[in-house]
Amino acid sequence: DGGITQSPKYLFRKEGQNVTLSCEQNLNHDAMYWYRQDPGQGLRLIYYSQIVNDFQKGDIAEGYSVSREKKESFPLTVTSAQKNPTAFYLCASKTQGVAGANVLTFGAGSRLTVL
Amino acid sequence: KQEVTQIPAALSVPEGENLVLNCSFTDSAIYNLQWFRQDPGKGLTSLLLIQSSQREQTSGRLNASLDKSSGRSTLYIAASQPGDSATYLCAVANSNYQLIWGAGTKLIIKP
Repeated sequence: DGGITQSPKYLFRKEGQNVTLSCEQNLNHDAMYWYRQDPGQGLRLIYYSQIVNDFQKGDIAEGYSVSREKKESFPLTVTSAQKNPTAFYLCASKTQGVAGANVLTFGAGSRLTVL
Repeated sequence: KQEVTQIPAALSVPEGENLVLNCSFTDSAIYNLQWFRQDPGKGLTSLLLIQSSQREQTSGRLNASLDKSSGRSTLYIAASQPGDSATYLCAVANSNYQLIWGAGTKLIIKP
C-alpha cells in the first residue's frame, strides 16, 4: 500500500542532543512537508520541499534542518538550538502542479520528548 | 495575516445526534478549505476539500459548507457514532497553496 512512514513513533532526547526524524513516502509525490503540532495550537510549518535537492523554510524553521536527496525521503533534524523541541511532528506529502490537487497525505507522526 | 479559529475546542454529544463544527477565517481571499480528522496520537486524514468557488461538499454522513464572505465553514455530521470521536481540524489554503490551520475541535460521541 502507498503511504508515508514516519519513524520512530516515540523518541526521547536529552538536552543538547541532535535527533533525526525519518519520513519516507512511496506515493511518488513531489512535495513534502514537516509540521509541528502542540496542544491547543494549529499545525505550524517547519520546512517544505517541492522538488529533490530543494527546500524552503516554513514559519518556525529555527533550530531545525532538513535534506531532500531523494524524492522518497525528507528527514528532519531537531538540533540542540531548538529551545522547546517537545512536540508531535507530522510529515506530509502531496502531488504538485495540478490545480486543486492540494490534498495532503500525512504520516502517523513522531512524538519527541526532551528529558 | 490569515488566522483560522475553531470553536468550541471540545464538544461531547450523545450518539445519534446531528452536530455542527465551526471554522472561521479572517481573510476571505482563500484558494480552498479542507477538513481533516485526527485520531489520538495519529496523523491526519483528509475528509473534504471545498474549492473557493464552491459552497459545499458532501461525503457520506459529512457535509462541509463554505461562506467566504462571512469567513466561515461548517462541518455537519449526521447521525453521529462513537467511531466519529476524534479531533477535527480545518485548514485554509492561500493562492500559494500554503495551509493555515485551526487548532481543532475535539469531538467525543457518547454511546
